[in-house]
Amino acid sequence: GENVEQHPSTLSVQEGDSAVIKCTYSDSASNYFPWYKQELGKGPQLIIDIRSNVGEKKDQRIAVTLNKTAKHFSLHITETQPEDSAVYFCAASIAGGTSYGKLTFGQGTILTVHP
Amino acid sequence: DGGITQSPKYLFRKEGQNVTLSCEQNLNHDAMYWYRQDPGQGLRLIYYSQIVNDFQKGDIAEGYSVSREKKESFPLTVTSAQKNPTAFYLCASSILQGDQPQHFGDGTRLSIL
Repeated sequence: GENVEQHPSTLSVQEGDSAVIKCTYSDSASNYFPWYKQELGKGPQLIIDIRSNVGEKKDQRIAVTLNKTAKHFSLHITETQPEDSAVYFCAASIAGGTSYGKLTFGQGTILTVHP
Repeated sequence: DGGITQSPKYLFRKEGQNVTLSCEQNLNHDAMYWYRQDPGQGLRLIYYSQIVNDFQKGDIAEGYSVSREKKESFPLTVTSAQKNPTAFYLCASSILQGDQPQHFGDGTRLSIL
């Protein structure tokens, strides 16, 4: 089955700096890669996703890049703000067809942005 | 506002007891999911349901049961057979069958007394 490894487990940055979180996956058939932000005591919130037919996707201060050959994808947050502090999860799945939407999650990264 | 409601937020159970976690959605989504989250780990799929009256086991279904009698409701029962039930339980939904979970509830934290 799919295995997703996420690094680092904790990340501390100063406000205004950039933050990068990296994930690797094992199943070359995976074609959908979402990122979730989870605040304390809340459920995960989908913040950005990428499909295997594109290499990069941006949404304001966040971007995701995908390298299918190397089977890794990364989340980039620029101009970080204290409200970006949360746990971030990557995930991978095979979307479409008869897939039941099973996501395999990484272990999570605790991001702390210091004012 | 549409969303997923999980209740209760905190739940305590004595050993040997079954307990049911509620999940209700008013998004008119077809598919619903239950995940378990343990400290320092990613989410793991317990059960999922693509349509009413149908559900499938996920990766860690042992000791759990579900029902899907209504489109908007997908309750999870943690049975006494689940040896390590203390965890944060998350319910999710997606618009279509085979789609990816798009909305999550705010979870129920289950603890054993």
